[in-house]
Amino acid sequence: DIQLTQSPSSLSASVGDRVTISCRASQDISNYLAWYQQRPGKVPKVLIYGATALLSGVPSRFSGSGSGAHFTLTISGLQPEDVATYFCQKYSDGPQITFGQGTRLEIK
Amino acid sequence: QVQLQESGPGLVEPSGTLSLTCAVSGDSISSNNWWAWVRQPPGKGLEWIGEIFHTGSTNYNPSLKSRISMSVDKSKNHFSLRVTSVTAADTAVYYCARQLPSDSWGQGTLVTVSS
Repeated sequence: DIQLTQSPSSLSASVGDRVTISCRASQDISNYLAWYQQRPGKVPKVLIYGATALLSGVPSRFSGSGSGAHFTLTISGLQPEDVATYFCQKYSDGPQITFGQGTRLEIK
Repeated sequence: QVQLQESGPGLVEPSGTLSLTCAVSGDSISSNNWWAWVRQPPGKGLEWIGEIFHTGSTNYNPSLKSRISMSVDKSKNHFSLRVTSVTAADTAVYYCARQLPSDSWGQGTLVTVSS
């Protein structure tokens, strides 16, 4: 089974900072990678799919990059409402779906 | 706009069976989508349970495969999840969703396994 490893597991940054979260797959998954944001007590919300495609309505400060086995979620200009846990998710390329363990983002 | 709503008992006894239903509105269960279940233990990450197509085809998480089953009821436009032989480790918020990755999720329902 393909595993996803996110790093860091948690981070603290200041408003306005550029934040990057990494997601590494245990094998090549092409670009079948999505990113979710889960605010405390809320339902997960998909931000990015296909590794780089931003879902309609998602602020442009969010961006995704990577392909193969190494992916990155970047927030350019952190905002207070970005406090959340972020998950990567592998899909397609076979019947199994896998989530990363999550990265908790806090404001300093 | 599609909406999904989970329903089922909030408390299940150990060794019992957890049964949940996801009612779908705004889309047909027979559309070209897979319908998924995801769970999240309190304070922990997301775990994909499995998915079902309206034909009855399923894909299950290998770690849960021996204990889970899913079904579709086209007449009621809903799909269901059963987890047998539950333990405290099955305590979680259970979400249903349309075709992961998806922006169409239910609100989630907390199921606690306890006597």
